[in-house]
Amino acid sequence: EIVLTQSPGTLSLSPGERATLSCRASQSVSNGYLAWYQQKPGQAPRLLIYGASSRATGIPDRFSGSGSGTDFTLTISRLEPEDFAVYYCQQYGSSPWTFGQGTKVEIK
Amino acid sequence: EVELLESGGGLVQPGGSLRLSCAASGFTFSTSAMSWVRQAAGRGLEWVTSISGSGGSTSYADSVKGRFTISRDNSKNTLYLQMSTLRAEDTAVYYCARDPREYIYGRFDYWGQGTLVTVSS
Repeated sequence: EIVLTQSPGTLSLSPGERATLSCRASQSVSNGYLAWYQQKPGQAPRLLIYGASSRATGIPDRFSGSGSGTDFTLTISRLEPEDFAVYYCQQYGSSPWTFGQGTKVEIK
Repeated sequence: EVELLESGGGLVQPGGSLRLSCAASGFTFSTSAMSWVRQAAGRGLEWVTSISGSGGSTSYADSVKGRFTISRDNSKNTLYLQMSTLRAEDTAVYYCARDPREYIYGRFDYWGQGTLVTVSS
């Protein structure tokens, strides 16, 4: 089973700032099959990024993903008020599909 | 518009059974694999099980293998999760999620709002 470790656990930033979230895998993620999800309190997760760097339908271009192998990054170029949430990475390169423990982006 | 609506959650005693349903609309149900993902209160996400579009292929997390059964009725656009021998650690919000391909791919592009399952005496 691939273990995903996200860092930091919490990121305290102000609107307009840049957010950089990390996801490290315990072994290489096949084909770069790494996704990022956003979850707000009381809501279901929403797919942001798939295939490490492809934006899902309707996702603003301030969200970008990068990385390969075992190291992946989600970048939010300029934080909007609606971006403060918890972000999860997930690998779907090998079963069982696994998620990271999440990074909370909170308002500073 | 893709919509997924879960139902069937509730309070059940340890060792008991429960069946969850997920009604799908807004897409061709039979050409999408489907999954269940759960989230315990204040915790992260855990993949539970997936089924291919035809229903011919299934996959389970070790934590539920032998206790949970995923199925689908493509004529009713509905996904099911039969849960038995429930344990306290199965307590969670259960989400159904769509996989964008017919075979089990493991990426979830649309999610329902979830249904809460509580296992307690």
